[in-house]
Amino acid sequence: DTGVSQNPRHKITKRGQNVTFRCDPISEHNRLYWYRQTLGQGPEFLTYFQNEAQLEKSRLLSDRFSAERPKGSFSTLEIQRTEQGDSAMYLCASSASGLANLFGPGNEQFFGPGTRLTVL
Amino acid sequence: AQSVSQHNHHVILSEAASLELGCNYSYGGTVNLFWYVQYPGQHLQLLLKYFSGDPLVKGIKGFEAEFIKSKFSFNLRKPSVQWSDTAEYFCAVNALLSGANNLFFGTGTRLTVIP
Repeated sequence: DTGVSQNPRHKITKRGQNVTFRCDPISEHNRLYWYRQTLGQGPEFLTYFQNEAQLEKSRLLSDRFSAERPKGSFSTLEIQRTEQGDSAMYLCASSASGLANLFGPGNEQFFGPGTRLTVL
Repeated sequence: AQSVSQHNHHVILSEAASLELGCNYSYGGTVNLFWYVQYPGQHLQLLLKYFSGDPLVKGIKGFEAEFIKSKFSFNLRKPSVQWSDTAEYFCAVNALLSGANNLFFGTGTRLTVIP
């Protein structure tokens, strides 16, 4: 399968614990995005990487959240001291840069299956 | 701030009925527009996209959408739905020149097609 993959698919943790999720994008895609989706809502943007550089962060990304993409390939999203409000589906997406402008809007985003986090 | 509105939260149709799902966005500049679909138990998949050119775009599985700039709308249509179209549909906008490369999604419309 050459699509976007995410691990784990499900994570149950106790409040206060740290969790880390991994995303492997489509191999030729240089852009990687993290979104969060709660029940009855559409995905909400969290952060975005172009290669290894984290270029945008949403206000939703509190200090307890950190994301990395150290080699410009896979990415990790860590949540420290989890809270019940962190329970959600965490989605990863990847895309290629637009042909006309390396830093402009890219092509369509391809989504992974998500990691469902439940904080007890 | 950008926002996307999908006014239909849940639509129930019989097979062969026609479908139109509304999507309106708030951003005065140039936009890229998308419809994504999420079938039960599956991940988000792109149905169709509008970047420029002909405002009537055709996607997979017989879906189409029309971009009406004056109405800030990008409604999704299908002339005859099938049971397999049961899914959640999300409209999304990428605002060009806003400095953001992420997508803004609507809250989604759940479509149930009755055989």
